[in-house]
Amino acid sequence: ETGVTQTPRHLVMGMTNKKSLKCEQHLGHNAMYWYKQSAKKPLELMFVYSLEERVENNSVPSRFSPECPNSSHLFLHLHTLQPEDSALYLCASSQEHFSSPLHFGNGTRLTVT
Amino acid sequence: EDQVTQSPEALRLQEGESSSLNCSYTVSGLRGLFWYRQDPGKGPEFLFTLYSAGEEKEKERLKATLTKKESFLHITAPKPEDSATYLCAVRFYTGANSKLTFGKGITLSVRP
Repeated sequence: ETGVTQTPRHLVMGMTNKKSLKCEQHLGHNAMYWYKQSAKKPLELMFVYSLEERVENNSVPSRFSPECPNSSHLFLHLHTLQPEDSALYLCASSQEHFSSPLHFGNGTRLTVT
Repeated sequence: EDQVTQSPEALRLQEGESSSLNCSYTVSGLRGLFWYRQDPGKGPEFLFTLYSAGEEKEKERLKATLTKKESFLHITAPKPEDSATYLCAVRFYTGANSKLTFGKGITLSVRP
């Protein structure tokens, strides 16, 4: 496996369910990110982890809970979501440098019913 | 107020018809401007990074340029496989840190 891998690719969940999104990067990067992508809107940064420590949390509701056990893995735990949380959730990684581009996975398409 | 604006929202071209996509920004303290390509059902794929006005980067039919307030992605003789959404992102200083802001993207459709 190369690059950034996200699972599952598609997820349908009810508002009372608990699920987790998984991301794994094989690029040797030391920063990982969760982004939300909704139609007609720019990518929204949710969380940033650098060297396994959360360094940014962009006022994301507590029903989203990130976890970064090591520099290669990132999780997003979901519980009690709302229909407006339906979106494409993208994981990305980069070197911890201002000029380093992000490398994205193919995302998880989440539908909350 | 949007800090990164991409135009047009959508562009339809005939195969071989060259054109340009625009990304304008209002931030100061630019630390880098990034172009990405996103195909349906996939994540954004990195294309170019530009750091300073006057800089240019090329890859196949794509050429990215940067001025003090905007960047252009020029597409020369496009092919149907160039159809995708093109995203622009700007990294700028926010005091002690830097922030990366994305535009909404431009959907390009190239007809054979």
